[in-house]
Amino acid sequence: NAGVMQNPRHLVRRRGQEARLRCSPMKGHSHVYWYRQLPEEGLKFMVYLQKENIIDESGMPKERFSAEFPKEGPSILRIQQVVRGDSAAYFCASAERQETQYFGPGTRLLVL
Amino acid sequence: AQTVTQSQPEMSVQEAETVTLSCTYDTSENNYYLFWYKQPPSRQMILVIRQEAYKQQNATENRFSVNFQKAAKSFSLKISDSQLGDTAMYFCAFMFRGGADGLTFGKGTHLIIQP
Repeated sequence: NAGVMQNPRHLVRRRGQEARLRCSPMKGHSHVYWYRQLPEEGLKFMVYLQKENIIDESGMPKERFSAEFPKEGPSILRIQQVVRGDSAAYFCASAERQETQYFGPGTRLLVL
Repeated sequence: AQTVTQSQPEMSVQEAETVTLSCTYDTSENNYYLFWYKQPPSRQMILVIRQEAYKQQNATENRFSVNFQKAAKSFSLKISDSQLGDTAMYFCAFMFRGGADGLTFGKGTHLIIQP
């Protein structure tokens, strides 16, 4: 059973461009969480999704950020019009049941 | 809102020694889970151990064990017979049962195992 997969592993964008981060959960997992990690800090919750539904997006900025988890395909975190402050590591985690999350390797986003 | 506090930014021990990482949390809820995650230099987040708040017995996974004190809201991690590969950031995390708002992490402890 492959682990949680994220791509790309590294992403460089210029200010104003769009960033799309993908997450494929472990087989059989229907719960997906996205977190952001700034340098020298712990992870901060952004959004929790189940198939085709956003359950909780209380940690996600109201503007420029969106997330989806379609019936088919990976979950996508989309950041529009990126700014330098969006530079961070973005981690996806999946769970079969809500209480135990397994993390992907993360996507390092650098905004120039 | 719940908070998780790790008061030791960095710790260093010799290989084969036992080390304890501390974690305290604050919540008014009664049903929750506690976790320790490890983040080695590869930056991958790896689940080390999990504890259900309703269980009094402390969780154990091989060389890793916890001391869960619910009344004191304390959740420390003990690593026995430490190995060089244990060098990593260790994050304590909390989640409500139901998990709608995800994990709340502490700021982490950087553990260095010296040869």
